Amino acid sequence: NAGVTQTPKFRVLKTGQSMTLLCAQDMNHEYMYWYRQDPGMGLRLIHYSVGEGTTAKGEVPDGYNVSRLKKQNFLLGLESAAPSQTSVYFCASLQAGQGTPLLTEAFFGQGTRLTVV
Amino acid sequence: DAKTTQPPSMDCAEGRAANLPCNHSTISGNEYVYWYRQIHSQGPQYIIHGLKNNETNEMASLIITEDRKSSTLILPHATLRDTAVYYCIVRAKNTNAGKSTFGDGTTLTVKP
Repeated sequence: NAGVTQTPKFRVLKTGQSMTLLCAQDMNHEYMYWYRQDPGMGLRLIHYSVGEGTTAKGEVPDGYNVSRLKKQNFLLGLESAAPSQTSVYFCASLQAGQGTPLLTEAFFGQGTRLTVV
Repeated sequence: DAKTTQPPSMDCAEGRAANLPCNHSTISGNEYVYWYRQIHSQGPQYIIHGLKNNETNEMASLIITEDRKSSTLILPHATLRDTAVYYCIVRAKNTNAGKSTFGDGTTLTVKP
């Protein structure tokens, strides 16, 4: 019963390098999200997906791309990392609602700490 | 989403009740009030939610004013492990809840 698993947990990149963060959930949830959290601030939504094969932009999408080829996986890509992308990245998933407040069902991963030097 | 306002930080003595306020004066009739917390670099954890009635669960109580423009999260007997950032969020039912704005929250420090 893993819930939401993020890989890797820590990473250091050089400016201009690329990488992919993986979020995997085993709860058969429809919706998945990627957030970033900078020191002392709340979470900001980067991209999200409401189902396999679909993605949409969130509040701060620039510099990131995502893919949802399989329902259980949501990938976040950085094509050319910049120091401004140094942050902690959180993934979340939740089930599409059927008459219930959805946010109560959100499950979060433990975060990926990314440093771009 | 309705905007929420929380104090940036609060202290509480261990064993005492922690009362965390949240203002949401522009809340709409169909929006719920949710509380989450985030313990040092972990993912956010759901605490409680409500619409207009006061709610209680094993973690906390939620008091919502009659006009629904503000609410208070109560941790009845705070412990050191309750030290965390607490987020108040308002969100309508059956909307894409993951798009909720978490804001900066209140940093609660429970002191021995």
